[in-house]
Amino acid sequence: QSALTQPASVSGSPGQSITISCTGTSSDVGGYDYVSWYQQYPGKAPKLMIYDVSNRPSGVSNRFSASKSGNTASLTISGLQAEDEADYYCCSYTTSSTLVVFGGGTKLTVL
Amino acid sequence: EVQLLESGGGLVQPGGSLRLSCAASGFTFSSYAMSWVRQAPGKGLEWVSGINSYGDRTYYADSVKGRFTISRDDSKNTLYLQMNSLRDEDTALYYCAREAPWGRWNDFYVWGQGTLVTVSS
Repeated sequence: QSALTQPASVSGSPGQSITISCTGTSSDVGGYDYVSWYQQYPGKAPKLMIYDVSNRPSGVSNRFSASKSGNTASLTISGLQAEDEADYYCCSYTTSSTLVVFGGGTKLTVL
Repeated sequence: EVQLLESGGGLVQPGGSLRLSCAASGFTFSSYAMSWVRQAPGKGLEWVSGINSYGDRTYYADSVKGRFTISRDDSKNTLYLQMNSLRDEDTALYYCAREAPWGRWNDFYVWGQGTLVTVSS
């Protein structure tokens, strides 16, 4: 099972909005509304930011939003802040031989 | 406080074995599916294996199928990962992760701090 495809890096200035894409197939992203997003700071465990394509767990800022179209999911961070600088991973349930697949990760740099 | 604490990592030679443990506390361990997720140095996240709350359904990534075995002991609130025939490419930080309350396999709501496995001669 190949990893979901994410851009290696994105950047934006404070206050701006950025979007990170996550492309899969009809066996994962496109087939189910079971896409999640994780934020990870260096040396720290990941944190769940989005589940079921567009839902935020309690405590996650509403500056984080997400959606899906076909085989591509997207995470948008609005009003960028320095603290948003981190790695972001998409993740999906899959009907392939495995059960769960992650994206390769995207490094967000806040300029 | 909800907590996961991994242990058992270390340096092992190629072809060797290691058993990781993940001690859970602060929640009803037997009610949740659990997974292992790993991260090679400087690389991304890779889901390794998962087990349902009943312990009768297990799942594995293709990269570890036939070599790794996940199990759980609800009486000890502990998750395990038995790793055999280890390869250089298994070198990674191994995280234990708990599913979210709404129960999706890909929604890892609680994470441990990880235990480092290094496979090298």
